[in-house]
Amino acid sequence: DSGVTQTPKHLITATGQRVTLRCSPRSGDLSVYWYQQSLDQGLQFLIQYYNGEERAKGNILERFSAQQFPDLHSELNLSSLELGDSALYFCASSPGFVTNEKLFFGSGTQLSVL
Amino acid sequence: DAKTTQPPSMDCAEGRAANLPCNHSTISGNEYVYWYRQIHSQGPQYIIHGLKNNETNEMASLIITEDRKSSTLILPHATLRDTAVYYCIAAPGGTSYGKLTFGQGTILTVHP
Repeated sequence: DSGVTQTPKHLITATGQRVTLRCSPRSGDLSVYWYQQSLDQGLQFLIQYYNGEERAKGNILERFSAQQFPDLHSELNLSSLELGDSALYFCASSPGFVTNEKLFFGSGTQLSVL
Repeated sequence: DAKTTQPPSMDCAEGRAANLPCNHSTISGNEYVYWYRQIHSQGPQYIIHGLKNNETNEMASLIITEDRKSSTLILPHATLRDTAVYYCIAAPGGTSYGKLTFGQGTILTVHP
């Protein structure tokens, strides 16, 4: 158990809909990261937050947004969903913004867009 | 981040050492070599990382060549539970650390 909690584990929805994925980092970790894993694209970095502020951005679509709240949990919002958004979405956390940190990944949210 | 090249798959007998190679010939001086693994569809798990010295922890050993253009992850006594996809990543430490670029990795299959 990495200590990172993601909910829900599975999500089935229809095209055009909007969903919210939730992540609770390990206790004390200030940085949260979101990754997407699909069969054709592999594991891709989406976005990073540190203590409530956006710190790094990857190939995140404009239809996707994220935020980190004062209690440090994070939410990834996916809107106008398309079939191609079906993927595993992982959240990871790390202690802070220092060199050589390990990332601790959650068990992921499997999103199926029908 | 520097590109890494790994064999797509490897086999290993249970109880034997598994040696997973990785080429990172364009690695820059401030880039570390990180290894993560992913068992089935679970979240990736950190294994080990290093800059230029060899490293060892409770999970594995990391051997980095002197020119830093390649490295080898060693699982000293592989078990069936080590069957996973192993990712070698070259990335700078510090502010951009979290932006890891995962390639296709090596599928390691440990046989009884």
